Amino acid sequence: GQNIDQPTEMTATEGAIVQINCTYQTSGFNGLFWYQQHAGEAPTFLSYNVLDGLEEKGRFSSFLSRSKGYSYLLLKELQMKDSASYLCAVTPGTYKYIFGTGTRLKVLA
Amino acid sequence: DSGVTQTPKHLITATGQRVTLRCSPRSGDLSVYWYQQSLDQGLQFLIQYYNGEERAKGNILERFSAQQFPDLHSELNLSSLELGDSALYFCASSGQTGGYGYTFGSGTRLTVV
Repeated sequence: GQNIDQPTEMTATEGAIVQINCTYQTSGFNGLFWYQQHAGEAPTFLSYNVLDGLEEKGRFSSFLSRSKGYSYLLLKELQMKDSASYLCAVTPGTYKYIFGTGTRLKVLA
Repeated sequence: DSGVTQTPKHLITATGQRVTLRCSPRSGDLSVYWYQQSLDQGLQFLIQYYNGEERAKGNILERFSAQQFPDLHSELNLSSLELGDSALYFCASSGQTGGYGYTFGSGTRLTVV
């Protein structure tokens, strides 16, 4: 079957660093995406990994290990506006993406 | 504005009714995807169209159907509505199948009473 696991909730302090993990088991692999979603709003694209390693984009970085079926999203210098759900999604080589249920991140002052 | 337009933004209807949700993809995108997001649930893939043809199907109920028109806009039809169909319905588009990320519309919030 296809399965993506993420922690349900995380809490961190403004200015801190937080790492959100994602493990996946899919019948194929053609890339992993991270999206940010504020409550009641559309998901917005954050990052894409298809090869092993770290992709850095400003305050956000994403890491992938295909052999371990593992990724993480690293958020640095947390801001209040980073309070949102973070969705991990895998495209298994077909046309659809499979989404995890998301990690709700609360940033505290 | 993401470039993907969904209408209506909100819809309240009674059980047993039928509704149509509309999506216009970003200019130049040929693929349209429909997802359902229930409260505290992940995004569940429903169906994908590419240039007017159905390309992939997820856990879409038989009461639901979709199509993509020659101008590339898409409609999702939900019939014999049940309370459990209440959810956010998102449309997304991409420039190539399986390509570099989706662009999501702002969603239609459907409430069945």
